[in-house]
Amino acid sequence: DADVTQTPRNRITKTGKRIMLECSQTKGHDRMYWYRQDPGLGLRLIYYSFDVKDINKGEISDGYSVSRQAQAKFSLSLESAIPNQTALYFCATARASRSGNEQFFGPGTRLTVL
Amino acid sequence: QKEVEQNSGPLSVPEGAIASLNCTYSDRVSQSFFWYRQYSGKSPELIMSIYSNGDKEDGRFTAQLNKASQYVSLLIRDSQPSDSATYLCAVEGGSNYKLTFGKGTLLTVNP
Repeated sequence: DADVTQTPRNRITKTGKRIMLECSQTKGHDRMYWYRQDPGLGLRLIYYSFDVKDINKGEISDGYSVSRQAQAKFSLSLESAIPNQTALYFCATARASRSGNEQFFGPGTRLTVL
Repeated sequence: QKEVEQNSGPLSVPEGAIASLNCTYSDRVSQSFFWYRQYSGKSPELIMSIYSNGDKEDGRFTAQLNKASQYVSLLIRDSQPSDSATYLCAVEGGSNYKLTFGKGTLLTVNP
């Protein structure tokens, strides 16, 4: 079954550490996204990519960077983690359809920064 | 700034009733609209998409869109306890392939 996977699923780290969250997909979609979700704030877009050579900032990109290593892989890095980056992180992929840009989410990574 | 507004709830309905979830959006050029279901601690799951004014039905779910009023809704007929979740409204503006999400409405279906 075509899927979106994220690793790790849970991570606890300390302030100042570099962290990488990875996303892989077998859906064959060109568009990939990184979101974070915080209680009361909803889903917020960090970065998105429409192909390997196309990377775009979302609404909250400060403190984050990304790498699109291949069509199927999109990684999110926190260069120096801070406690307010504690959140649930989701990767999503998208295809075009008659109804627009349908996005499909991975299972999420719960990140805790101490 | 594009905004998507939802009543945070909780919305509580008895089993077998119709649950009505509402969403308004600020960007008049928005083209496509989506409803996601999210169980606690899980990822959002796409359940409906709509881009034309009117109703779109899929099983127990009906999405309703009124672009003039900038309003989209989701009706769940014959609600089941397994429908208890947070429902997220998402709006795609123009051709930028990005979604703006509302903060979600928590639905509780009581047996």
